[in-house]
Amino acid sequence: QKEVEQNSGPLSVPEGAIASLNCTYSDRGSQSFFWYRQYSGKSPELIMSIYSNGDKEDGRFTAQLNKASQYVSLLIRDSQPSDSATYLCAVYNAGNMLTFGGGTRLMVKP
Amino acid sequence: DVKVTQSSRYLVKRTGEKVFLECVQDMDHENMFWYRQDPGLGLRLIYFSYDVKMKEKGDIPEGYSVSREKKERFSLILESASTNQTSMYLCASSSPTGVRNSPLHFGNGTRLTVT
Repeated sequence: QKEVEQNSGPLSVPEGAIASLNCTYSDRGSQSFFWYRQYSGKSPELIMSIYSNGDKEDGRFTAQLNKASQYVSLLIRDSQPSDSATYLCAVYNAGNMLTFGGGTRLMVKP
Repeated sequence: DVKVTQSSRYLVKRTGEKVFLECVQDMDHENMFWYRQDPGLGLRLIYFSYDVKMKEKGDIPEGYSVSREKKERFSLILESASTNQTSMYLCASSSPTGVRNSPLHFGNGTRLTVT
């Protein structure tokens, strides 16, 4: 079992819809969680961090964390074609090592 | 804003050459990392450093070495480049772990092609 798992996609949503990206992790002691956006040929860019159970909102982005179920998700409201990218989930495990998921490719169709 | 600068955006080298990839960060971060990213394989950690002159092997250190002589600079060295080292190389930095783990901030990446 991989430490951090994401569906590779592509996830295709129409413009204006909500995109829901999911990530599961295996280490119950994990405490810190991050979402990165990576455009094709570019480097990952940090978009959200979340440390506590529940929701954290930043503009059109909402990160959701459920430690009991060991998943973290990213919702993108009012999706735009410019949101088309690969989204990477990153998790610090109990040993303070950061592990990245393989990423989910999101396609927002006009 | 954190700035992590990688010296080259694109690099083409020949098999057997010694290759230096340079990375500089301007936020006085203690932690620096080198990853490579390949299609279908995701981000893989090559080496990291938590302090000057300190280095730790990551998941795929074979064929690579690193140097951290100054806090702001972390260099990745390919002693004898091979075609299977053709990849996107990403440098990142972060502040030390405190109450909460800090995120990594990435440079723009160096796309290395070894022919």
